Amino acid sequence: DAKTTQPPSMDCAEGRAANLPCNHSTISGNEYVYWYRQIHSQGPQYIIHGLKNNETNEMASLIITEDRKSSTLILPHATLRDTAVYYCIVRVAGSEKLVFGKGMKLTVNP
Amino acid sequence: EAGVTQFPSHSVIEKGQTVTLRCDPISGHDNLYWYRRVMGKEIKFLLHFVKESKQDESGMPNNRFLAERTGGTYSTLKVQPAELEDSGVYFCASSAKRNYGYTFGSGTRLTVV
Repeated sequence: DAKTTQPPSMDCAEGRAANLPCNHSTISGNEYVYWYRQIHSQGPQYIIHGLKNNETNEMASLIITEDRKSSTLILPHATLRDTAVYYCIVRVAGSEKLVFGKGMKLTVNP
Repeated sequence: EAGVTQFPSHSVIEKGQTVTLRCDPISGHDNLYWYRRVMGKEIKFLLHFVKESKQDESGMPNNRFLAERTGGTYSTLKVQPAELEDSGVYFCASSAKRNYGYTFGSGTRLTVV
């Protein structure tokens, strides 16, 4: 079972920042938080991952709370092409397996 | 660099037939994974190769599924005999290192009729 909880959907205006929340209250100290997204029926696309520090790359920023029980994925300037299902995943320590949940549908509106 | 390539993109077969899906990972990626999404369900892990060795095959649903990666390059996933419930999208992914993000292919849509 997925160890994360996400709202089922969210809307965002084009050009604005999209802040996607995720709860993972049972995360263990050595488990990573990963974010992927799936645009339409394409294969999932890796976005970012982190352990305890905040992370940033060319796609997004990942903010992890100090207690690690929740995180937020930030898309700084959402575009229509960011409309997708976003998956927040806690990777089980010692395993390469990703457990996908239902994800959250982000719709970016013009 | 070329991405993860999967072939075929679509396959329609009759129940009881055999189908073989192929995945070509990104060159140099030792880690190769198979996932699938059957109708109405979440994406599920099937197995993980490191080079030619099966590292974790805990997600393989039953013995009708056989995955191979001879030579540690491309991989095949054979379903024999196919059942109706095997219909779905089969994704392959690869990564150069563990604990890194995977690159997924576009998937093979399998329809068993």
